[in-house]
Amino acid sequence: DAKTTQPNSMESNEEEPVHLPCNHSTISGTDYIHWYRQLPSQGPEYVIHGLTSNVNNRMASLAIAEDRKSSTLILHRATLRDAAVYYCILRPPPTGNQFYFGTGTSLTVIP
Amino acid sequence: EAQVTQNPRYLITVTGKKLTVTCSQNMNHEYMSWYRQDPGLGLRQIYYSMNVEVTDKGDVPEGYKVSRKEKRNFPLILESPSPNQTSLYFCASSLGTSGYEQYFGPGTRLTVT
Repeated sequence: DAKTTQPNSMESNEEEPVHLPCNHSTISGTDYIHWYRQLPSQGPEYVIHGLTSNVNNRMASLAIAEDRKSSTLILHRATLRDAAVYYCILRPPPTGNQFYFGTGTSLTVIP
Repeated sequence: EAQVTQNPRYLITVTGKKLTVTCSQNMNHEYMSWYRQDPGLGLRQIYYSMNVEVTDKGDVPEGYKVSRKEKRNFPLILESPSPNQTSLYFCASSLGTSGYEQYFGPGTRLTVT
């Protein structure tokens, strides 16, 4: 089962970029890399996902290492609303439908 | 509005009293899933369903049942709840699996005394 490793916690100053790392050394060639975040007292919400190439959307950017053994979620300008737990997850192809969240990285944004 | 709904949002019950937590989505999603969240353990998958009448075990299925008789509904059944099932439960759905985002419900906080 492909698993991920993330730091337990990180801090960032408001309006500065944040780079959240994730290691997934056992990733297979067909695993998608997903990122979700969970704000206090809410359900997780989707942030971004990718397979091999870097991805950008309105919320964040995802940088995937060339060997795919690690990835980085980039929040370009952290706001107080970005304080949450961020989960990096590997999502296998349809033959493996389980979804492993792990414990994630708790991001604190300092005003 | 596209959403996943769960009911009830809060439930306090006693050991052994059967209960059902409902989950419904209005996005015509094929994949649905249940998770529990406990302090220090993150989110763990209980059961998932690829489509109607197709369900499979996740990481922690013991003590739970599910059914998928309609595409939009995926109830979680605790036949004989025990205190170790006290947890925060989330239902989620997605159009497919690997390359699709999951939408989560607001959560159900269950306490079993």
